[in-house]
Amino acid sequence: EPEVTQTPSHQVTQMGQEVILRCVPISNHLYFYWYRQILGQKVEFLVSFYNNEISEKSEIFDDQFSVERPDGSNFTLKIRSTKLEDSAMYFCASSPLGQNQPQHFGDGTRLSIL
Amino acid sequence: RKEVEQDPGPFNVPEGATVAFNCTYSNSASQSFFWYRQDCRKEPKLLMSVYSSGNEDGRFTAQLNRASQYISLLIRDSKLSDSATYLCVAIPTTSGTYKYIFGTGTRLKVLA
Repeated sequence: EPEVTQTPSHQVTQMGQEVILRCVPISNHLYFYWYRQILGQKVEFLVSFYNNEISEKSEIFDDQFSVERPDGSNFTLKIRSTKLEDSAMYFCASSPLGQNQPQHFGDGTRLSIL
Repeated sequence: RKEVEQDPGPFNVPEGATVAFNCTYSNSASQSFFWYRQDCRKEPKLLMSVYSSGNEDGRFTAQLNRASQYISLLIRDSKLSDSATYLCVAIPTTSGTYKYIFGTGTRLKVLA
């Protein structure tokens, strides 16, 4: 069964550094998402991406965050200047077109900011 | 009021028991709902979609009550492997991008 893959599985970074989290969505999916989950808290929506542009973003997704689909297969999340509170699990998800189509999640990147 | 609300539990049940979880949602226009399962520090995995007519998949049954704005998940004949956190998800109709709104999750522990 096709799956969403994410790399790296764990990223440790000094505060203030830039990080790029990578995702390869399922190949025939059209919607792409990033979510995050701070330890012990619920999964929160960050951003959705469709047709090569951001279609919606949350309040969390401020100017420090950006997304890109550089080559038609990868989907990346960049955090420009990391803060301690960016420490979380980051999940990429993808879905086919359509409201009733469930999203498929990658196994996440654990981001630890020191 | 939270957009999607769940009892965090934990629900501790013996093997073989039947257990039910409810989830309430605040946006009456929400159209799509799902149950996901999350094991400790892992990704959410789709358990089942929730349809207006209700749906069943083996030991799992999901129901939607639009009038009262809640969805439910029933697990029959619980197995040790059912121990996990169960996440309720709603898609608000106002979202043109089908973003998920997650509940906090309900922890289930099935005891031998």
